[in-house]
Amino acid sequence: QLQLQESGPGLVKPSETLSLTCAISGDSITSPSYYWGWIRQPPGRGLEWIGKIYHSGATYYNSSLESRVTMSVDTSRNHFSLRLSSLTAADTAVYYCARLFGWNYVSTWGQGTLVIVSS
Amino acid sequence: QSMLTQPPSVSAAPGHKVTISCSGTSSNIENNYVSWYQQFPGTAPKLLIYEDNKRPSGIPDRFSGSKSGTSATLAITGLRTGDEADYYCATWDSSLSAQWVFGGGTKLTVL
Repeated sequence: QLQLQESGPGLVKPSETLSLTCAISGDSITSPSYYWGWIRQPPGRGLEWIGKIYHSGATYYNSSLESRVTMSVDTSRNHFSLRLSSLTAADTAVYYCARLFGWNYVSTWGQGTLVIVSS
Repeated sequence: QSMLTQPPSVSAAPGHKVTISCSGTSSNIENNYVSWYQQFPGTAPKLLIYEDNKRPSGIPDRFSGSKSGTSATLAITGLRTGDEADYYCATWDSSLSAQWVFGGGTKLTVL
């Protein structure tokens, strides 16, 4: 059974860069049908897609975040990562990693990790 | 503001039927698959409907999805108190730059 587990700091200072990793178990990051992505949810608000990556390294980002986002994959460790730079309080959110079937749907979600941006 | 418009809240009595709408445009809903997600407080969303009207294994047939033109609808019949949750629609938007978009979410209250 597929499981996704986010890891990273729970508290980050404004202007710094957030780094999160998603460990995959129960599937291979090189599965041909799937992309791997990040979605966030500010407290009390709705879902926002951050972007997705294929195991080849091809990426697609939310245009509103594109200048600050970098995603990468590590096929040897079966995990993928998110970097979000120039953080502000507006980036405070629960960050979910996810497996996506092409452009069609999010098939599996991680449990999420709360990131607070504060000095 | 979300590119997909959902009502902020809907409510209905146990045993009744409720529908949740998701309104978009020709660059998203009309020409791409819609999916729906259920989220309980403090937990991750869960896939409820994919590719407009398909249910993953384990999702009861009380939940159904449909689409017509630039709008999609999630219907829930035989409402239970355990269905109280937030529901989100999502699809791909192919305008300007390809990206995934979510509706703003709908809070379902089972009275």
